[in-house]
Amino acid sequence: DIQMTQSPSSLSASVGDRVTITCRASQGIRNDLAWYQQKPGKAPKRLIYAASNLQSGVPPRFSGSGSGTEFILTISTLQPEDFATYYCLQHNSYPLTFGGGTKVEIK
Amino acid sequence: EVQLVESGGGLVQPGGSLRLSCAASGFTLSSYWMHWVRQAPGKGLVWVSRIDSDGSDTSYADSVKGRFTISRDNVKNTLHLQMNSLRAEDTAVYYCWGYHMDVWGKGTTVTVSS
Repeated sequence: DIQMTQSPSSLSASVGDRVTITCRASQGIRNDLAWYQQKPGKAPKRLIYAASNLQSGVPPRFSGSGSGTEFILTISTLQPEDFATYYCLQHNSYPLTFGGGTKVEIK
Repeated sequence: EVQLVESGGGLVQPGGSLRLSCAASGFTLSSYWMHWVRQAPGKGLVWVSRIDSDGSDTSYADSVKGRFTISRDNVKNTLHLQMNSLRAEDTAVYYCWGYHMDVWGKGTTVTVSS
């Protein structure tokens, strides 16, 4: 099984900050990676697919990069509505595996 | 509007069974592979199972293999998850999910407790 190691597990940031979240895969997954945002009590929502492609309707302050085993989600200018938990997902092979999540909290 | 609505969750004793359903509307379920994902209280997302578009091929997480069965009824536009031999660690919100469209249900809560 492919393990996805996400870091940090939590962070505190202020509105306007630049935030980066990293996911490392235990083996190469090409660009078969997506990023999701989840708010409390809600289903996840995809932000990025194929590692670097912005999902339709998602603000351009979100961006993704990486390939192979290391991937980064960047929020260029944190907005109040961005405080949430973020997950990476590898869909290169089954079982699909999510990262452990990164909770972005208000500083 | 594209929508998935889960049902069938509830409280069940260890060793018991539940059958979850997921009704699709606004799109033709038979065109897509479908998945179940769960989230234990306060924990992260965990993929559970998937089924291909015609139901001929399935995959399961090791933690549920042999106990859970995913199926679909493309005529009724519905996805199912039969859960047997339930354990306390199966307690979670269960989401049905269409990956390619990124459509999620709101989830149904399963609690396994005596």
